[in-house]
Amino acid sequence: GAGVSQSPSNKVTEKGKDVELRCDPISGHTALYWYRQSLGQGLEFLIYFQGNSAPDKSGLPSDRFSAERTGGSVSTLTIQRTQQEDSAVYLCASSLVGSNNQPQHFGDGTRLSIL
Amino acid sequence: DQQVKQNSPSLSVQEGRISILNCDYTNSMFDYFLWYKKYPAEGPTFLISISSIKDKNEDGRFTVFLNKSAKHLSLHIVPSQPGDSAVYFCAAERYNFNKFYFGSGTKLNVKP
Repeated sequence: GAGVSQSPSNKVTEKGKDVELRCDPISGHTALYWYRQSLGQGLEFLIYFQGNSAPDKSGLPSDRFSAERTGGSVSTLTIQRTQQEDSAVYLCASSLVGSNNQPQHFGDGTRLSIL
Repeated sequence: DQQVKQNSPSLSVQEGRISILNCDYTNSMFDYFLWYKKYPAEGPTFLISISSIKDKNEDGRFTVFLNKSAKHLSLHIVPSQPGDSAVYFCAAERYNFNKFYFGSGTKLNVKP
């Protein structure tokens, strides 16, 4: 389809392992966002990309979290040395441009479970 | 510090009646507000938005009201349908800051 695609849809891994989550935004969308939703909580902003650059990384919870975007399209969110508190649904969203009253379009998320 | 708050975690309404979902915010610099609907195991989908220059925006059965002085917005669904049962998130943005703040969501149950 033409929507935001995230993979994997589910990921179970052991504490201490690294994980990589992928997001394919809608074609032509220059803005890309990562969010995290922990159980019973709202959406927590992690990072924002405009093109390939990330002007706002303020939401990354620790230096174990990093993200990159290549070619102005696909983005990967990497969590190193995972901890149990990293368990959450990680959501990616894209919009045509950043800000300027553009709604975001979300993927279905990656449900990450750390054992 | 949560800048967008949805104080009702759940709401139950009879089919055909009005559903009113509420949202409060603390940052007076927010100037764009949105509502999203989320079904289980799916990402949120955009529903309706309003900019701060308006106090009402309507789209079919959905109307969003903005009260800037009270820093409050609400979503009205009339008439409510069972398919509207979902979690509803409100979100706010400040122009050019490229960062959306979301509430914790309200789970709406529309009973047939």
